Amino acid sequence: DVVLTQAPLSSPVTLGQPASISCRSNQSLAHPDGNTFLNWFHQRPGQPPRLLLYKISNRFSGVPDRFSGSGAGTEFTLKISRVEAEDVGVYYCMQATYFPLTFGGGTKVEI
Amino acid sequence: EVQVVESGGGLVQPGGSLTLSCKASGFDFSTYWMSWIRQAPGKGLEWVATIKPDGSESNYVDSVMGRFTASRDNAKNSFYLQMSSLAAEDTARYYCARRGYTPDHWGQGTLVIVSS
Repeated sequence: DVVLTQAPLSSPVTLGQPASISCRSNQSLAHPDGNTFLNWFHQRPGQPPRLLLYKISNRFSGVPDRFSGSGAGTEFTLKISRVEAEDVGVYYCMQATYFPLTFGGGTKVEI
Repeated sequence: EVQVVESGGGLVQPGGSLTLSCKASGFDFSTYWMSWIRQAPGKGLEWVATIKPDGSESNYVDSVMGRFTASRDNAKNSFYLQMSSLAAEDTARYYCARRGYTPDHWGQGTLVIVSS
């Protein structure tokens, strides 16, 4: 199974400052069809996860442009250009290149 | 508006069975893959199952293979998860989500507690 390792586990952030989360895979997530199915989700306490980015860097509908994604192969990064109060919560990466689909362990972002 | 609403959770004894339902609206249900994803209390996310639009094929995480069955009724815009031989480790909030590769709309989830 694909193992996704996120870092850091917890990230204290300052409002208005940037933040970055890493997601590393134990194997390349490049699919033979040319896509890389690496997604990012945000979950606030008591809420279901919300899709932020899909296929590494594509923002889902309604996601602010302060969120961006990058990477390839086995190393991926989620960046928040300027953290806002509503960005607190847990961020998860997820791979869908291989079954079983797997999630990273999560990164808690707190002010 | 795209919506998925789960139901059917509850308290069940170890070894028991339960069927979860997911009612979809606001999109052409019969053309989308659907997924179940769970989250144990205080823990991270775990993908459980995904089913093709026509219901002809499903994929499962190893830990539920042979115990859980995903199915759908496109005429009713509904998606199901039949769970049997439930164990304490299956205690979680179960989310229904639209799509397989990119779960883009999630419900609020339904809580399953396996306990005697």
